[in-house]
Amino acid sequence: QSALTQPASVSGSPGQSITISCTGTSSDVGSYNFVSWYQQRPGKAPKLMIYEGGKRPSGVSNRFSGSKSGNTASLTISGLQDEDEADYYCYSYAGSSTYVFGTGTKVTVL
Amino acid sequence: QVQLVQSGAEVKKPGASVEVSCRASGFTFTGYYIHWVRQAPGQGLEWMGTINAGGGSTSYAQNFQGRVTMTRDTSTSTVYMELSSLRSEDTALYYCAREPDSSGLLDYWGQGTLVTVSS
Repeated sequence: QSALTQPASVSGSPGQSITISCTGTSSDVGSYNFVSWYQQRPGKAPKLMIYEGGKRPSGVSNRFSGSKSGNTASLTISGLQDEDEADYYCYSYAGSSTYVFGTGTKVTVL
Repeated sequence: QVQLVQSGAEVKKPGASVEVSCRASGFTFTGYYIHWVRQAPGQGLEWMGTINAGGGSTSYAQNFQGRVTMTRDTSTSTVYMELSSLRSEDTALYYCAREPDSSGLLDYWGQGTLVTVSS
């Protein structure tokens, strides 16, 4: 099972919107609605930001949104803030009770 | 409150095995799946496998088949992950995480356990 493909880095200025892509295959992202996104700050455990493609857990800012089209899922952060600077990972069910993470994207706020 | 508390850091020699524990509290242990995820220094997250804390069934990533074993003890609400035939590339931070209701998401994470493999 290969890792899902994400851009290594994405940057934006405060207030701007950025989008992180997560490309898989018809065996994972394309076949299931179980795509979630995690934010990881340095030295911390990952934090769930989006699940089932586009739902937000309680307490997560509505500046974070998710979507999916075909084999590619996307995370959009609108109104970028300094605190959004972190690594972001997508995660998908891949069938047969297995899962796979994305390669990770470092978000930099300029 | 929901907590996953992992065992402390380990230093192992190549070829040895390591067992990391993850003690759950604040929720009905047997109603969830517990996953293990690792992160090598400066690298991304890697899914290792999962165990149904109720029934005990497991599923492992192909990369770890034959080397990883996940078990649970319902009397202490603890999940164990054993990785054998350790090599230097297994040096990483190992996390346990909870999946509710076959939802495909990981909502609570342990603090991580650093495993260092060095001769």
